[in-house]
Amino acid sequence: QQQVKQSPQSLIVQKGGISIINCAYENTAFDYFPWYQQFPGKGPALLIAIRPDVSEKKEGRFTISFNKSAKQFSLHIMDSQPGDSATYFCAAHPTGKLIFGQGTTLQVKP
Amino acid sequence: EPEVTQTPSHQVTQMGQEVILRCVPISNHLYFYWYRQILGQKVEFLVSFYNNEISEKSEIFDDQFSVERPDGSNFTLKIRSTKLEDSAMYFCASSEGPRTSGETYEQYFGPGTRLTVT
Repeated sequence: QQQVKQSPQSLIVQKGGISIINCAYENTAFDYFPWYQQFPGKGPALLIAIRPDVSEKKEGRFTISFNKSAKQFSLHIMDSQPGDSATYFCAAHPTGKLIFGQGTTLQVKP
Repeated sequence: EPEVTQTPSHQVTQMGQEVILRCVPISNHLYFYWYRQILGQKVEFLVSFYNNEISEKSEIFDDQFSVERPDGSNFTLKIRSTKLEDSAMYFCASSEGPRTSGETYEQYFGPGTRLTVT
């Protein structure tokens, strides 16, 4: 199955809170999972990525948690800021193409 | 910082007309991609291109679509006879290298062209 399922569709978080976005995949051949951030009027931009041999990857306030047995991974945004308000896409990158999840629109309220 | 550029930002066309969407990838990149995003839906892969030929294409990329690198800087997507369902945001992307089992090169996306077919 060439799909990545993402939830929730939208998320509202207070400033300083933790934003959590979840993704699941079915194809065990997938071996690279990037997260993209998209602001209005812009194309998606790589935020952080992980391989399934690692259970967690942290870059600043952004952390990916990976559960290989469950075929799930999630993005945690700590200390969420209004500037983090954007659409977030998880993806799998098995070959040249990226397979995107449905996207999560995050709104961080001041 | 180098970036992918796309023109036009918005294209309105009538059903059945041909459209060409243009992209200028980052100059030292060798791999080029087109994706599309229908309003409210996910970003979907259309095609990848390397060394003047298609590397991979999706089921969406049928005979109505074609890609070309007409010169050293531009990368184009042509839709021969547009349909209403072709209305979407089209993103061009480029990367320095391929996706292999050992290497992953980031794909850099342009800002997109919004295509509206009436």
